[in-house]
Amino acid sequence: GQNIDQPTEMTATEGAIVQINCTYQTSGFNGLFWYQQHAGEAPTFLSYNVLDGLEEKGRFSSFLSRSKGYSYLLLKELQMKDSASYLCAVRDGDYQLIWGAGTKLIIKP
Amino acid sequence: DTAVSQTPKYLVTQMGNDKSIKCEQNLGHDTMYWYKQDSKKFLKIMFSYNNKELIINETVPNRFSPKSPDKAHLNLHINSLELGDSAVYFCASSQGNPADTQYFGPGTRLTVL
Repeated sequence: GQNIDQPTEMTATEGAIVQINCTYQTSGFNGLFWYQQHAGEAPTFLSYNVLDGLEEKGRFSSFLSRSKGYSYLLLKELQMKDSASYLCAVRDGDYQLIWGAGTKLIIKP
Repeated sequence: DTAVSQTPKYLVTQMGNDKSIKCEQNLGHDTMYWYKQDSKKFLKIMFSYNNKELIINETVPNRFSPKSPDKAHLNLHINSLELGDSAVYFCASSQGNPADTQYFGPGTRLTVL
């Protein structure tokens, strides 16, 4: 079956680094997305990986290992505004986007 | 300029009523979607239209009926509302197929009393 796993909740300290993991089991694979969703708001696109390796975009980086069915989102120099849910979604074939349940990240001063 | 807009933002109604949510995108995208996000924050696809044609129709009660008058609009009509329909409904759009990057509207918080 199709399955995406992420931790339900994580806590980190302002200024620190946090890594949010995502593992997936899907019948096909054609890329992996990370979205950020602040409480009461819509999900917004953060990153897309289709090849193995690390994609860096400012304070955020996303890593993919297709052989392991694994991705992580790395957030550096954490700010209070980074408190949000982070959703992992896998592109499975041409017409399917499978969503994880999201990881709620809590940033403490 | 708002890329994907939805109305209304909040909707409170009684069980048994019929209601509609409207969505419009000005991104020139070909594909639009409706998602339901429940209290556990799980995002579940309901429908997707590509150029006014239905391409994804997940297991959803037939009380829910999407309508796409043109590729920039996708409305959701819900008949005989039930308590379990209470959730946030997000509209989204993407350039081509549903596996492209999706852009979400602000959401409509539906509360059924």
